[in-house]
Amino acid sequence: QVHLGQSGAEVKKPGASVKVSCKASGYTFTNYYMHWVRQAPGQGLEWMGIINPSGGSTSYAQKFQGRVTMTRDTSTSTVYMELSSLRSEDTAVYYCARGPAVTRILDVWGKGTTVTVSS
Amino acid sequence: EIVMTQSPATLSVSPGERATLSCRASQSVSSNLAWYQQKPGQAPRLLIYGASTRATGIPARFSGSGSGTEFTLTISSLQSEDFAIYYCQQYNNWPGFGQGTRLEIK
Repeated sequence: QVHLGQSGAEVKKPGASVKVSCKASGYTFTNYYMHWVRQAPGQGLEWMGIINPSGGSTSYAQKFQGRVTMTRDTSTSTVYMELSSLRSEDTAVYYCARGPAVTRILDVWGKGTTVTVSS
Repeated sequence: EIVMTQSPATLSVSPGERATLSCRASQSVSSNLAWYQQKPGQAPRLLIYGASTRATGIPARFSGSGSGTEFTLTISSLQSEDFAIYYCQQYNNWPGFGQGTRLEIK
């Protein structure tokens, strides 16, 4: 069955970077895009960006441009999301979510990775 | 940027009754609208896409309608497991979510 396995919780200090991984299984990795969505405590969902695992091309939400980098490793079917210059407002659960190439729906989600930014 | 607005913020409904949730887009998104359900401590789950197509495994009591700027999610007879937060998402452009409607037990 399709599964997205995310890395474990992280605690970071302000100004640091965090790199979250998402390992895909149960489907052809390069046939689906991967999105990253975050959710601050008690808040709604915020789309961060997308990566095409086939060629590695990316598009980022304007809010995160310059601070986020999404990469992939096709040999391990894993995508990565790195967020730099962390601040307390980046404390959130970060989800990876699969998206069919022809639409931008998010049809399968990982369980989420909690990132806490605190001094 | 397309802004998605959901109403009401909280909806109180009794089990067995019908729930109607609304989502409005600031400009037309055609039928490029999805609905997600999120329960506490869980990731969101895709319910509806294309404004009205149920995702795999979603019960028939969930239905979606609308196009352009006005959309509705209807749950015909609420079960205990349906009480959750529901988000709409447009994908006519890069994805954007509404702020959510919390469906609670009356």
